[in-house]
This record gives sequence, structure tokens and C-alpha cells, in this order.
Amino acid sequence: AQTVTQSQPEMSVQEAETVTLSCTYDTSENNYYLFWYKQPPSRQMILVIRQEAYKQQNATENRFSVNFQKAAKSFSLKISDSQLGDTAMYFCAFIHSGTYKYIFGTGTRLKVLA
Amino acid sequence: EPEVTQTPSHQVTQMGQEVILRCVPISNHLYFYWYRQILGQKVEFLVSFYNNEISEKSEIFDDQFSVERPDGSNFTLKIRSTKLEDSAMYFCASGVTAGETGELFFGEGSRLTVL
Repeated sequence: AQTVTQSQPEMSVQEAETVTLSCTYDTSENNYYLFWYKQPPSRQMILVIRQEAYKQQNATENRFSVNFQKAAKSFSLKISDSQLGDTAMYFCAFIHSGTYKYIFGTGTRLKVLA
Repeated sequence: EPEVTQTPSHQVTQMGQEVILRCVPISNHLYFYWYRQILGQKVEFLVSFYNNEISEKSEIFDDQFSVERPDGSNFTLKIRSTKLEDSAMYFCASGVTAGETGELFFGEGSRLTVL
């Protein structure tokens, strides 16, 4: 079965601190892509960061970086220097190469505290 | 900045009624999707649509569901006879390219409540 598990339903972090959101997934395929999407309150989901499974180097986008452990099927998101605007629901997702179907997790609600 | 827009933002309906959820994807996008999220559960794939036909659908997307792109701009999801378990947030998404090669752009969602 293809699944994504986000084991932390809610997290909080102090402004300027670093926080890591965990994600594990299960697939028997070898070619896939991993994503973190962010949904601020009452707003659209937007892409935060993307990782190709065939790349060993962890993706980085400004304050956002991932720790991709392919053998462990783990894809955690690290947010450095957290800002109030990072308060949102964060969804981990993957898609197999050649398909149209994203598999999402249940999300982690992150609150950044002033 | 172009956005995916969805209407209505919230619809309440009686069980057995037909519902149409509307989406206006970003204009140069070619791939269109519907996802849903039942409260507290995962965001689930329903259907993808490309070149005026369904490219992939999930087990959830049974005969009660249909999609169409009637006029080249709107992308609609129809639920023929709603059930209580159809209560969820429905998200429309679009992309320039398929799946893994590009990001999805999501709308804000349409909350459907079936009584």
C-alpha cells in the first residue's frame, strides 16, 4: 500500500527557532518525487519544497530544507529561523513517476509563537 | 499572481441531492485534479483530467462522481446523489505539467456538508 504518515498532528515553535516536521512513506516503487506543501489558515496549499528520489542531495529552499533518507523512507522538513508567517498546516506528499496521483499525509499543524 | 479559484466556498445540501463544485484553474495549465479531505483525515486523490478526459481516478471516484471542463476555463466536479460520507473539503488543483515534473497549484477548497 502506498501511504504517507505524519506522526505529529500539532507542533509549536518559538519565533527564530528551528523545528523539524517528520514524514515517512511507504512505496515499493523506485522512481518517485516527494513534496512538502504548506496551507496557511484559510489559504491555498502552496509548494514549499520538492525532492527527486533519485537525488541523494537534500533539497533546500531558503530557510526550508529536507532530510531525505531513502532506505528508511523518511522525508523530514526542517524550518530554520521560524517566522510567524510559517504558521500553517504542512502536508507531506509523494507521487510515483508516470502517474498523476499524489499521496498525501494527514498534515502537521505548526504554530509559531511570538 | 494567478490563482486557482473555487466556488462555492461552503455548500450545505441534503442527502440524495446533486452538487456541482466549480473550479477555475490557472489559464495556461493543462492538468487538472480534484482532491478531498474528510475532517481529520488525509487529503485523498479523486481524479486527474488531461486533454479533456480522465487520466487517472481513485476507488473513491465511483459512478456518483463526474468531472468535466465544459467551456475551456471551468473545471467542475459533480456528485450525483450525495451521501453523508461525502461531507469533506474538496480541493481543485492544476499544473502546467504532469505529476512529478511540476508543482500543483491548489484552490482554497469548497467545504461540502451533507445533512
